Amino acid sequence: DSGVTQTPKHLITATGQRVTLRCSPRSGDLSVYWYQQSLDQGLQFLIQYYNGEERAKGNILERFSAQQFPDLHSELNLSSLELGDSALYFCASSVGSGFQETQYFGPGTRLLVL
Amino acid sequence: AQKITQTQPGMFVQEKEAVTLDCTYDTSDQSYGLFWYKQPSSGEMIFLIYQGSYDEQNATEGRYSLNFQKARKSANLVISASQLGDSAMYFCAMRVSRNTGFQKLVFGTGTRLLVSP
Repeated sequence: DSGVTQTPKHLITATGQRVTLRCSPRSGDLSVYWYQQSLDQGLQFLIQYYNGEERAKGNILERFSAQQFPDLHSELNLSSLELGDSALYFCASSVGSGFQETQYFGPGTRLLVL
Repeated sequence: AQKITQTQPGMFVQEKEAVTLDCTYDTSDQSYGLFWYKQPSSGEMIFLIYQGSYDEQNATEGRYSLNFQKARKSANLVISASQLGDSAMYFCAMRVSRNTGFQKLVFGTGTRLLVSP
């Protein structure tokens, strides 16, 4: 158990809908990262937050947004869902944002868009 | 741009034998970290081992060791005394320190390891 929690574990929804994925980092970790793992794209970095502020953006679609709250938990919002958004979404956390710091991953949320 | 290459889509090994999973990387940065993660069929990503670009010694964590060859830009994972529970997907990843606050993990495509009795 990495100490990172994600809810829900599974999500099934329809095209055009909006969902929210939630992540609680390890105790003491200030950085939260979101990744998407799909069969065709592999593991892709989406976005990073550090202590409530957005730090970096990767291949995140405009239909997707995220935020980190004062208690450091984070939410990833996916809207106008398409079939291709079906994937495993991971949240990871680290103490700070240094390159040498290990990112610990949560169990993931498996999203299926029908 | 940073890139990780894992050329072995799948590997087979017998229980109790050692196995090496290959990883090569490409970066022009001098400061970077290399990571290996394990993803069992249940889906979670489990951190295994870390090697920093300035570390002079190869990293070891229990049965895992990292064969770091900086000049060749390779960071192979060695698993000694394989166990059935080692059957999983293994990902090599890199993180560079180029700009403050921007240090994403770049992943390879993974190697599926199957350990047979």
